[in-house]
Amino acid sequence: SQQGEEDPQALSIQEGENATMNCSYKTSINNLQWYRQNSGRGLVHLILIRSNEREKHSGRLRVTLDTSKKSSSLLITASRAADTASYFCATSGGSYIPTFGRGTSLIVHP
Amino acid sequence: NAGVTQTPKFQVLKTGQSMTLQCAQDMNHEYMSWYRQDPGMGLRLIHYSVGAGITDQGEVPNGYNVSRSTTEDFPLRLLSAAPSQTSVYFCASSSDSSGNTIYFGEGSWLTVV
Repeated sequence: SQQGEEDPQALSIQEGENATMNCSYKTSINNLQWYRQNSGRGLVHLILIRSNEREKHSGRLRVTLDTSKKSSSLLITASRAADTASYFCATSGGSYIPTFGRGTSLIVHP
Repeated sequence: NAGVTQTPKFQVLKTGQSMTLQCAQDMNHEYMSWYRQDPGMGLRLIHYSVGAGITDQGEVPNGYNVSRSTTEDFPLRLLSAAPSQTSVYFCASSSDSSGNTIYFGEGSWLTVV
């Protein structure tokens, strides 16, 4: 069964707007990662946040983690058409294997 | 930098045929895994390996076999293809346990007719 679940399933915005997507999970984790998948391609790692961290930044990406609520959010600021992709969260607990959610499909209109 | 290489990119099989999806990584990663991705289902783990000679089942292992004779290679075998195995398959590798960056291949599109 999948641990992380992204919300919303689909998001459509205009270029320049911010995009926020959320990930909820059920059991305790060691860390949480966000990945991007362009259409027809493999997943690409964006950012990792550990369970003892609350916020992390990477360029236009901001990730927060609330372990008390078992949730994370990914914010993409000043979205560009090139940000159009599916975004997945992956959680890692006691074992190696991260589990992925179903993803959020983001469309950024030029 | 090749990273994770999967072959073939596309394959059409008839029901009952067998085939092997190849996966190779050149990063000396210990951890390798195979996922399948179906519409609306995200990625589901088929099999994984934590090192040469060691493999284990994931969430959806039925109908698939794996082996890990070398650190570099992790082939996925479909024993007797079924239409339910029509999917996109991704191979992935990572250097360490519990959440280091996972590197994915570009995917293999498999259709079983």
